[in-house]
Amino acid sequence: AQTVTQSQPEMSVQEAETVTLSCTYDTSESNYYLFWYKQPPSRQMILVIRQEAYKQQNATENRFSVNFQKAAKSFSLKISDSQLGDTAMYFCAFMNTGNQFYFGTGTSLTVIP
Amino acid sequence: DAMVIQNPRYQVTQFGKPVTLSCSQTLNHNVMYWYQQKSSQAPKLLFHYYDKDFNNEADTPDNFQSRRPNTSFCFLDIRSPGLGDAAMYLCATSIPDGSGYTFGSGTRLTVV
Repeated sequence: AQTVTQSQPEMSVQEAETVTLSCTYDTSESNYYLFWYKQPPSRQMILVIRQEAYKQQNATENRFSVNFQKAAKSFSLKISDSQLGDTAMYFCAFMNTGNQFYFGTGTSLTVIP
Repeated sequence: DAMVIQNPRYQVTQFGKPVTLSCSQTLNHNVMYWYQQKSSQAPKLLFHYYDKDFNNEADTPDNFQSRRPNTSFCFLDIRSPGLGDAAMYLCATSIPDGSGYTFGSGTRLTVV
């Protein structure tokens, strides 16, 4: 079974600073997908960034980037130039080729003005 | 343009009174999911439909049922809500191409 671990239940960052959220996972599969989802206080889950395991290049989306270390089974999210609107719960998720999704327990990020 | 729409946004029901939550999608995705999310926790999968094929998670209580009359709509029926069923219920859709899930904005259920 796949497991996803987010070891930081809560984090905070000063506005305009950079923060990194960690995520590790466990799987025996070689091909899979990894995601970071953001859930603001309004509660809609929004896709932030996606990584395909067979791609070595780290995904980036504007201020969001990942550090994907396949051998270490690590998938961290870096948020640059943090903004107040980045305050949210962030979930790391693993999806296998059977389309099954596994969420981490989430990291609550607060951006401090 | 909302692509996964959940109604209502907030639902209050009485203890033991059946309640139905609805989800519709404009994406034509063949897979639809229902998740239960309690405060500050990860969403927990209740069941999903792959087209018309229903897949129940082993630990989903019998109190929870689902219907999917067509590709666009999916319903969550709670036959006899208890206080422990108060939660956010999230609907999501996907296609099996690795692109991930698209979530609705959720229905927050309160049981009184």
